Amino acid sequence: NAGVTQTPKFRVLKTGQSMTLLCAQDMNHEYMYWYRQDPGMGLRLIHYSVGEGTTAKGEVPDGYNVSRLKKQNFLLGLESAAPSQTSVYFCASSRRTLTSGFTGELFFGEGSRLTVL
Amino acid sequence: SQQGEEDPQALSIQEGENATMNCSYKTSINNLQWYRQNSGRGLVHLILIRSNEREKHSGRLRVTLDTSKKSSSLLITASRAADTASYFCATDAFPGAGSYQLTFGKGTKLSVIP
Repeated sequence: NAGVTQTPKFRVLKTGQSMTLLCAQDMNHEYMYWYRQDPGMGLRLIHYSVGEGTTAKGEVPDGYNVSRLKKQNFLLGLESAAPSQTSVYFCASSRRTLTSGFTGELFFGEGSRLTVL
Repeated sequence: SQQGEEDPQALSIQEGENATMNCSYKTSINNLQWYRQNSGRGLVHLILIRSNEREKHSGRLRVTLDTSKKSSSLLITASRAADTASYFCATDAFPGAGSYQLTFGKGTKLSVIP
């Protein structure tokens, strides 16, 4: 049981290049999330999805796009990378909860380290 | 903006001692969760405490929640070198815009010296 798998684990980009981070989960979770982690800033939510075909903005969505075409996959795209997007990106997933709006335990991937030169 | 803020930012203790970390938050919550992150790894869920609970235990972990003070504490008893990690609190804001989201604090870096 792999849990949450992120690819690639490491990537170096030049300013202006584009790329896509892939997150896959095998737990049949409804909810998926993309966070970024920067030194001294903790984790900040970029985008999230509460179901296949739906996405929503988090705290820091600018410069990123996401898609959830399949329930098990959540893609994070950078159309024109900037040095400010140098960060470690974490994908997470969680089950649908019985209580509307209640967020349960998150399962995280191991992270994707992105450097933009 | 950060909802939860951990205190202290860093903590160094000897193996066998207890470690206490605190978390303060700003708005009403559904639940508060604690996570651990080993260096270079993803976060791992430790414990979830609901807004109507005051204390919860899991092995050597004890979490308390005081909704009147908007604060929580994580106690790790009889610490081990393997407990060396960063610890984060995360809150599930209620109601409205915070739903379906966990907001994380900046974390406490715990070092347990053998």
